[in-house]
Amino acid sequence: GAVVSQHPSWVICKSGTSVKIECRSLDFQATTMFWYRQFPKQSLMLMATSNEGSKATYEQGVEKDKFLINHASLTLSTLTVTSAHPEDSSFYICEAGATYEQYFGPGTRLTVT
Amino acid sequence: DAKTTQPPSMDCAEGRAANLPCNHSTISGNEYVYWYRQIHSQGPQYIIHGLKNNETNEMASLIITEDRKSSTLILPHATLRDTAVYYCIVRVATVRRDDKIIFGKGTRLHILP
Repeated sequence: GAVVSQHPSWVICKSGTSVKIECRSLDFQATTMFWYRQFPKQSLMLMATSNEGSKATYEQGVEKDKFLINHASLTLSTLTVTSAHPEDSSFYICEAGATYEQYFGPGTRLTVT
Repeated sequence: DAKTTQPPSMDCAEGRAANLPCNHSTISGNEYVYWYRQIHSQGPQYIIHGLKNNETNEMASLIITEDRKSSTLILPHATLRDTAVYYCIVRVATVRRDDKIIFGKGTRLHILP
């Protein structure tokens, strides 16, 4: 199957700083990117959905000014956690999708101290 | 709310078949049943999907009832490496921005040596 990568795989940052997470589809063109968040021992929760070249659609309760999503190309989407706080510590997972295929990335572990 | 319900946990002896049930009584006609699994601190791994016919691949078999209201994932010869959380979700086959994917809590499968 296709490969989706995320970078970094883990990151530790100080409270108040911003962190950018990249999601790349390595061998197919992803027209849609989904971003999920997963807290310990919980299921994946959809944060937002984006189509290439257009603004992301955020789920209820997810602050769009705090979680900035850019999907500028068919192979790259970024999630920027701005002014991170300890409660933003979580496992962030992207899913890249084309018309009949979708693949998850390996996830990024964010720890905010 | 998730459109699927699964038992929270199951045990299976190594070498035996693991049968994981899933109820999806409100599934729509154009929705497929997808199964993923997630090993600790990794992104979800695709296992199998189906619409109404039973499906088999190198990893597992999927049995869907005739009324499509429930399904069973079968791992024919479980190994310790199959210990994971297994998610059953329903989704349309075409990836579109407005098709929200909601993960339930999944089944935590323990393979016993």
